[in-house]
Amino acid sequence: RKEVEQDPGPFNVPEGATVAFNCTYSNSASQSFFWYRQDCRKEPKLLMSVYSSGNEDGRFTAQLNRASQYISLLIRDSKLSDSATYLCVVSSNDMRFGAGTRLTVKP
Amino acid sequence: NAGVTQTPKFRILKIGQSMTLQCAQDMNHNYMYWYRQDPGMGLKLIYYSVGAGITDKGEVPNGYNVSRSTTEDFPLRLELAAPSQTSVYFCASSYRIREETQYFGPGTRLLVL
Repeated sequence: RKEVEQDPGPFNVPEGATVAFNCTYSNSASQSFFWYRQDCRKEPKLLMSVYSSGNEDGRFTAQLNRASQYISLLIRDSKLSDSATYLCVVSSNDMRFGAGTRLTVKP
Repeated sequence: NAGVTQTPKFRILKIGQSMTLQCAQDMNHNYMYWYRQDPGMGLKLIYYSVGAGITDKGEVPNGYNVSRSTTEDFPLRLELAAPSQTSVYFCASSYRIREETQYFGPGTRLLVL
């Protein structure tokens, strides 16, 4: 079993749609959680950290469920510019990256 | 600030050749990392450094070496290139603990033929 698993997608959604990604992790001792965004042929960039109480940044909402060992990312009112691959990152002693979920937002 | 810079952007190597991937950061970060990303796979940690003069192995260190003589620079050395080392290599840095937000360089695409 992979340490961090994500549905690879692709998710193809129209502009304005709401889309959600899930990510599961195997190490119950994991302490920090992040979502990174990676555009095609570019480096990953931090989208948001994920806190136990859940957190929101504009159209983006992240949730953590420690009991079930998964984190989620919700994107509301999708924009064309949201098209990218979203990487789930989980950290205990070091950071472990998921393979990413690809999102394409279409006009 | 330039952030994290990497050179070269792209390189083709023949099997058995060696090369050094350069990485530098100007944010005075203590922690630096080297990752590789293969198609459809997550980033894998090759080596990391917690400060000048201190390096340690990550998840996939075989075939690579690193050094950290200054806070700013963290080069990655491939001694005998193999086709399995064809990948995109990312350097990253963070200020304090390893789990803190990491800032990535633009990557080096390496093709070994």
